[in-house]
Order: sequence, then structure tokens, then C-alpha cells
Amino acid sequence: DAKTTQPNSMESNEEEPVHLPCNHSTISGTDYIHWYRQLPSQGPEYVIHGLTSNVNNRMASLAIAEDRKSSTLILHRATLRDAAVYYCILRRAGNMLTFGGGTRLMVKP
Amino acid sequence: EAQVTQNPRYLITVTGKKLTVTCSQNMNHEYMSWYRQDPGLGLRQIYYSMNVEVTDKGDVPEGYKVSRKEKRNFPLILESPSPNQTSLYFCASSLVPLNTEAFFGQGTRLTVV
Repeated sequence: DAKTTQPNSMESNEEEPVHLPCNHSTISGTDYIHWYRQLPSQGPEYVIHGLTSNVNNRMASLAIAEDRKSSTLILHRATLRDAAVYYCILRRAGNMLTFGGGTRLMVKP
Repeated sequence: EAQVTQNPRYLITVTGKKLTVTCSQNMNHEYMSWYRQDPGLGLRQIYYSMNVEVTDKGDVPEGYKVSRKEKRNFPLILESPSPNQTSLYFCASSLVPLNTEAFFGQGTRLTVV
């Protein structure tokens, strides 16, 4: 089972960095770590993914632990539009898109 | 534009009246999947498909059917809807390689009375 564990909710101030943690101790060598977010009243959208190395894109950064059993999504400057539920998932061969509970991020002005 | 299109976006129906929610993608994706989302329960997978004519159950398949006759379409069928199937439904698609992103539809809000 491609299980991940995330805090239920986190709070951040606008314009400050946010670090969203995810534990995935059962990760296997070929699993990719993906992050998606779901804005209110919308379908989930892709944020970032990685395998072993840290990754950056225009939306966020992904820091992956050396043993790959955990990862952290980093939003460098949170805005009110970043308030969403963030899902960390392990993509593996077969049924490759199953979700856990996610972290609800609240951003305070 | 790459997209996953669900129809209808909103539907109110009565118990027992068969309905189909359509899902179509224009990206030639092999993998497609259906989810339902209820308050406090996150995204629960109903069915998924790895390719044409290949479908399999997710976590909550009871009361639902799917078919995958063409690569682009993955309809969700409720043969005899019941009130406990009132929910927000999402369809998703992706290529098979694990380093590719998945795309989601905008959702279908279904109410069964």
C-alpha cells in the first residue's frame, strides 16, 4: 500500500515560507513522490514531483530526504491563493494515483 | 488545450434512476481513474483503468460501474443511484510513466434524492 502521512492542517502567514511535511516510510526504490493541491471547489492540480534529488519549479520546491522516507514541499512565499489542501502521494507501477488525507493549508493575511 | 472534461458538472436525480457521468481526455493518456470526495474523507478511488478494456476496482467500487471502450473516454455508471452516492466526483488521467503529471476534471456534484 502506497501510504503517506501528512499533518491534517497547517497555518502560515502571507509572504512567509511554508514547509509541508510528508512521511512515506514504505516507499520503494522506483516510487516517485508527487504533490498535488486542491483549491476550494476545484479538482486537484499537479504541483511537483521527484525521485531522489531535490526539485524546483515555478510553483514550489521539493526536498527529499536522503533515505527517501520523507519529503517536504516548500512554498517560498505563501499567498492567499495558496490556501488549499496539499496531497503527497507515491506514484508506483499499477494503480498509480491513490490519495491520503492531505494537509489543509490556511494562509493568514 | 490539454484537459479532462467531465459532464455534467451538476446533477440532481432520484433514487434508482440510472445515470452516467462522462469523462473525456484529449492527451492520449493510458491511465484514467474516478474518485469521490465527501466532507472529511478526502479523495477515495472508485475505479481505475490502465488502458482500453482494462479496468479495476479502487477502494469504494460498490454501486458503480465503468467501461473503457476507447482510450479517451472513461464513463462512470450508477445503475441504481442511492442517496449515499451523493458526492463530488472527479475524473483523472495520466500517462503511464511515473514521472508524468496527472490531470483532473473540474468535478461533478451529484445529489441523489
